[in-house]
Amino acid sequence: DGGITQSPKYLFRKEGQNVTLSCEQNLNHDAMYWYRQDPGQGLRLIYYSQIVNDFQKGDIAEGYSVSREKKESFPLTVTSAQKNPTAFYLCASTSDRYYGYTFGSGTRLTVV
Amino acid sequence: GENVEQHPSTLSVQEGDSAVIKCTYSDSASNYFPWYKQELGKRPQLIIDIRSNVGEKKDQRIAVTLNKTAKHFSLHITETQPEDSAVYFCAASRGNFNKFYFGSGTKLNVKP
Repeated sequence: DGGITQSPKYLFRKEGQNVTLSCEQNLNHDAMYWYRQDPGQGLRLIYYSQIVNDFQKGDIAEGYSVSREKKESFPLTVTSAQKNPTAFYLCASTSDRYYGYTFGSGTRLTVV
Repeated sequence: GENVEQHPSTLSVQEGDSAVIKCTYSDSASNYFPWYKQELGKRPQLIIDIRSNVGEKKDQRIAVTLNKTAKHFSLHITETQPEDSAVYFCAASRGNFNKFYFGSGTKLNVKP
């Protein structure tokens, strides 16, 4: 998976339920990002982290939470406060030696 | 913050023709402009990028041009092939280690 792995590929959430999306990278990248993609729209930034134990809100952080306890891992929790969570979620990483992102393969979340 | 606008939202061309996708950005401090190709249900893949100290960059059938004064950059694909059919995203960033702002995407359809 090109060094960054997202799981699961598909996820179904019931109303009022919290779910966690996994993102793991073995690229030794310092920075990691979570984006949300809706049909016909670009990628919107949810949260990002440039160093372990530190993260910042992106443009659409409401209803989401993250943690960065290890350099390799940046899980995203979609809480029940997120009223419209159905979307494709992409995780990305980069390093200070590299301008571009490496993307994971994505998780498609659906509310049932 | 940065605002990236992308046009057109859909583009249909005949195989062998050229395709041009245009983006504008608002933050004059942005200095890195990547282009990503995303096939249906898959992760975005970097196809070409340009930094603000360069006006044009080519890679085989793909080229990107940048006009810093006007704050716009474009993707040019020549001799299009059916496998070029995908969604293309532009992005802008302040460079190394900074978050990307994405355009809304262009769905390119190359008709055989």
